[in-house]
Amino acid sequence: GAVVSQHPSWVICKSGTSVKIECRSLDFQATTMFWYRQFPKQSLMLMATSNEGSKATYEQGVEKDKFLINHASLTLSTLTVTSAHPEDSSFYICSARTSGTNSYEQYFGPGTRLTVT
Amino acid sequence: EDKVVQSPLSLVVHEGDTVTLNCSYEVTNFRSLLWYKQEKKAPTFLFMLTSSGIEKKSGRLSSILDKKELFSILNITATQTGDSAVYLCAVEAYGQNFVFGPGTRLSVLP
Repeated sequence: GAVVSQHPSWVICKSGTSVKIECRSLDFQATTMFWYRQFPKQSLMLMATSNEGSKATYEQGVEKDKFLINHASLTLSTLTVTSAHPEDSSFYICSARTSGTNSYEQYFGPGTRLTVT
Repeated sequence: EDKVVQSPLSLVVHEGDTVTLNCSYEVTNFRSLLWYKQEKKAPTFLFMLTSSGIEKKSGRLSSILDKKELFSILNITATQTGDSAVYLCAVEAYGQNFVFGPGTRLSVLP
């Protein structure tokens, strides 16, 4: 149980284009989803927290107009990287949790590797 | 199907105790195994292991990987209340990104 999937698993795009990444909870309802960036040998950096049906809460330093997050249903959240630049190349990992659980009880997706050329 | 299993899922100890957390995996095209500590927000990177038998140490924490038996352990000696957290194990695979384990919730009592 508690499986989280991401799509696509990897994507290459040209600078200036936009890329949408999906995060789905497959067998549970995720009232909250988290989006992270992962750099090699570094901690995951929390970008934003999204609750179903409301606006995402972005961490300091994360541009909300560049990283658009939509949590339209209890099983799906999307992250759109707009006007991508090479420095946006990274692993993007989402996690999800159900209501009533502690913030650190999260189920992680496999990540999406974004390469911007 | 790729999977990462952690044990125990939950552990309660007293300050000063030593704990061993286990992570076993079944992943094709293994690349590396990572340990994280998650308290409130984002998981904090602890170790990345790629080679068998080479222990990595950071203060009271140490970890080792056995690629033949497909597991890793994370040791914490002289535990402190600040070690209370969820410890996540993740395996990175070529072409498959990450597979995270369910985590071990460690509670260290004063």
